[in-house]
Amino acid sequence: SQQGEEDPQALSIQEGENATMNCSYKTSINNLQWYRQNSGRGLVHLILIRSNEREKHSGRLRVTLDTSKKSSSLLITASRAADTASYFCATDGIQGAQKLVFGQGTRLTINP
Amino acid sequence: DSGVTQTPKHLITATGQRVTLRCSPRSGDLSVYWYQQSLDQGLQFLIQYYNGEERAKGNILERFSAQQFPDLHSELNLSSLELGDSALYFCASSAQGSPNYGYTFGSGTRLTVV
Repeated sequence: SQQGEEDPQALSIQEGENATMNCSYKTSINNLQWYRQNSGRGLVHLILIRSNEREKHSGRLRVTLDTSKKSSSLLITASRAADTASYFCATDGIQGAQKLVFGQGTRLTINP
Repeated sequence: DSGVTQTPKHLITATGQRVTLRCSPRSGDLSVYWYQQSLDQGLQFLIQYYNGEERAKGNILERFSAQQFPDLHSELNLSSLELGDSALYFCASSAQGSPNYGYTFGSGTRLTVV
């Protein structure tokens, strides 16, 4: 089963609005990462937040991590049409595991 | 261009056949990961190599095998192909062998089995 589960599965907003996506996971982690995938293309690493961090920013991206609730959120501010993509959270699963496990993703559509 | 090169980009083959997917990691990266992405299963981890050695194994079928060569490129071999093997196959690389750093993904190989 997937370690990460994103919510919602799909999100459609107007350009300029903020988009928030959530991720829940099941076991202890070392870090949680977010990736973007444009339709049918490779995933692009957006941001990594370590288990001892609570919030991280990168440009218009803000990621929070709540290890007590085993959840993370990705906020994209002032959305643009180019932000239309699928967004995945990924965790390293059981501590010490050597691989990233990806959730099913949130499909974000930004309407002009 | 992410720096991770996958060939071919598209592959159409018949059931029962064997194919080889190739991946060249980003320069300097020692670790290669293979993932399968399908609509119903999402992104599934298949296998990881680090500096030529198998490091971790996921949901990889016995019909599938992989290796990493001394020049660090990797090949994923898929044999006795079935319709259900149709998917996007991604290779990713990272400098270290742990998931504590971001992965760099290639653009994928789209495999269609007919």
